[in-house]
Amino acid sequence: EADIYQTPRYLVIGTGKKITLECSQTMGHDKMYWYQQDPGMELHLIHYSYGVNSTEKGDLSSESTVSRIRTEHFPLTLESARPSHTSQYLCASSETGVETQYFGPGTRLLVL
Amino acid sequence: KNQVEQSPQSLIILEGKNCTLQCNYTVSPFSNLRWYKQDTGRGPVSLTIMTFSENTKSNGRYTATLDADTKQSSLHITASQLSDSASYICVVSDRGSTLGRLYFGRGTQLTVWP
Repeated sequence: EADIYQTPRYLVIGTGKKITLECSQTMGHDKMYWYQQDPGMELHLIHYSYGVNSTEKGDLSSESTVSRIRTEHFPLTLESARPSHTSQYLCASSETGVETQYFGPGTRLLVL
Repeated sequence: KNQVEQSPQSLIILEGKNCTLQCNYTVSPFSNLRWYKQDTGRGPVSLTIMTFSENTKSNGRYTATLDADTKQSSLHITASQLSDSASYICVVSDRGSTLGRLYFGRGTQLTVWP
C-alpha cells in the first residue's frame, strides 16, 4: 500500500461552492500530480509539481488551482464548482529518478 | 499523435481461466511501459514496468510482454481469481520532456465470475 492519502473520498456539493480536495503523502516524494478521470475513460493530467513552490498546469485545461507549500501536501481548489466538474480526482506522487507513480484512493466529486 | 489503445474494452472470464489483455501505442520517443491495476473506487496500483530492452516481466500471476518494434504490449493473467476483477490500464512514458510525460489507455475492465 502506498502512503498517499486523499480526503474527502466522496463529496456532493451545490453549484457555486468553493471546495478543496486534500492530498498528502508520507514518502518524501518530490513530484506530485493531480489527474481527472471520468468513468471508463483515461486519466488526464490537470496539475503537477516538481517540488515545494513549483506548480504547473497539465494537459487537460482545468479551472482548479493547486499549491505546494510543503513537500507532503498538494491540495487542489475549485473556487466555484459547476456540474461539469463532476468527476473522480486522483492524486499521485513519484520519486525523482524512479518515476513510478503511486496513486491515492481518489475523490469522487458530484456537483449538483 | 501519441496514443495508447487497449483491447478489449471489457472482458468476462470464469475463475481459474487465463486471459490476455492488449495494448498498442504510438508514443515516441519511448521510455517505458507500465501496467496498472485499478480496483473500483480506488487509485491505480503499478503491476509491472518495462523499458525498451525488456520484452517480458512477471509479477506473480501477471506476466507482461513488450515488443518495442511493433509497439505492442500484452498482460497475461494466469489462473484468474475473483480479486483480479478490476480495470487494467496500460501507461506509456515518453522521454521527450523532463516530466516523463505519461500517456494512459482507457483500460480493460476485467470481470472474473465464480
